[in-house]
Amino acid sequence: AQSVAQPEDQVNVAEGNPLTVKCTYSVSGNPYLFWYVQYPNRGLQFLLKYITGDNLVKGSYGFEAEFNKSQTSFHLKKPSALVSDSALYFCVTLMDSNYQLIWGAGTKLIIKP
Amino acid sequence: NAGVMQNPRHLVRRRGQEARLRCSPMKGHSHVYWYRQLPEEGLKFMVYLQKENIIDESGMPKERFSAEFPKEGPSILRIQQVVRGDSAAYFCASSPGQGAETQYFGPGTRLLVL
Repeated sequence: AQSVAQPEDQVNVAEGNPLTVKCTYSVSGNPYLFWYVQYPNRGLQFLLKYITGDNLVKGSYGFEAEFNKSQTSFHLKKPSALVSDSALYFCVTLMDSNYQLIWGAGTKLIIKP
Repeated sequence: NAGVMQNPRHLVRRRGQEARLRCSPMKGHSHVYWYRQLPEEGLKFMVYLQKENIIDESGMPKERFSAEFPKEGPSILRIQQVVRGDSAAYFCASSPGQGAETQYFGPGTRLLVL
């Protein structure tokens, strides 16, 4: 069965420092991987996705993610964190059915000024 | 191009009442998905619909819950005889197709059952 794991419940980063939010996946076949962000009391916003091609995927708001097949990881990164990046981040994969999104538990990112 | 619209944003119901949640997909999108989110958790798939058809409702409880996506108008998620355990955030998403197509989410409806 397809699944993703986010090993950290919370990540704390000082403003201006690089940030990494970790995700590992377990999928059969070609992995389809996404990152979504949820701001407090708001909907979910799509950040980026990996389908095929370049292992480094660039997304919205300066975020990028690196697909690593040997480590089965898809970590989210940003070179310089902003306080406004503080939110809940979800790593997501696609079920075999090709329409059910399977969600990680989420990682709360806190950026301190 | 407006995004996915959901209303109401907040809904309070007493036990035993009915809850109706509405979702208007993005223009040009004919695929609608409903997900439920409990506090501090990721989303759980409930149902996938295309116009006038339920494609997969395997994530939806068999009793009290129903969904539709009529030819005209928004998709409706209906919960009859609500119980406290139904309190959650319900998100709707839409996409132009399935597979690796990105699903775009609405702001959600937060249901509170008293």
